Amino acid sequence: EVQLVESGGGLIQPGGSLRLSCAASGFTVSSNYMSWVRQAPGKGLEWVSVIYSGGSTYYADSVKGRFTISRDNSKNTLYLQMNSLRAEDTAVYYCARSYCSSTSCYFAAIDYWGQGTLVTVSS
Amino acid sequence: QSVLTQPPSASGTPGQRVTISCSGSSSNIGSNTVNWYQQLPGTAPKLLIYSNNQRPSGVPDRFSGSKSGTSASLAISGLQSEDEADYYCAAWDDSLNAVVFGGGTKLTVL
Repeated sequence: EVQLVESGGGLIQPGGSLRLSCAASGFTVSSNYMSWVRQAPGKGLEWVSVIYSGGSTYYADSVKGRFTISRDNSKNTLYLQMNSLRAEDTAVYYCARSYCSSTSCYFAAIDYWGQGTLVTVSS
Repeated sequence: QSVLTQPPSASGTPGQRVTISCSGSSSNIGSNTVNWYQQLPGTAPKLLIYSNNQRPSGVPDRFSGSKSGTSASLAISGLQSEDEADYYCAAWDDSLNAVVFGGGTKLTVL
């Protein structure tokens, strides 16, 4: 069974750093396209970052230069290192896996989501 | 303001057919496939439609998707009370090198 379990969220002051973790089971993180998607309270979904199976990474402009996505293949775990945090980064952060059929992968089609971890940036 | 544009709200009565639109541009919907999500209150989103009109296993055939040019639509037929949720469209954007979401449409079943 595929499972994604996030951890690492919490209350952090503006300018601070936080690292989110996403422990995966039932599949191999390094063989899939893995993303972080966030949702501010009462707002819509916002894609944050993706890491491809080949290791390429992409970021939303709103986090570029501040956030870093990575993975630990030995632990089958995805990470999001968040630096220089701002109030507008306050959100539930979801770890997510893109859907792959037997023939193709669809970057923007996410078939598995974690339960989410809340990050609150406030003084 | 989201890159993909959706109406903020939609409504229908049980049994009715409703459609939700999603408008984009040549760099996203115009050149990539569209995906749709359903999000019930307090839960993670669920993939409803991928690759414009494909349903993952387990998604009822009451849900269907279509795309034409730089716009896409999600149709829900035989509307049920449990369909009351937020719906989002998403696509890859070649100019931004990013996944872009619509702002979401809140569907109310009257």
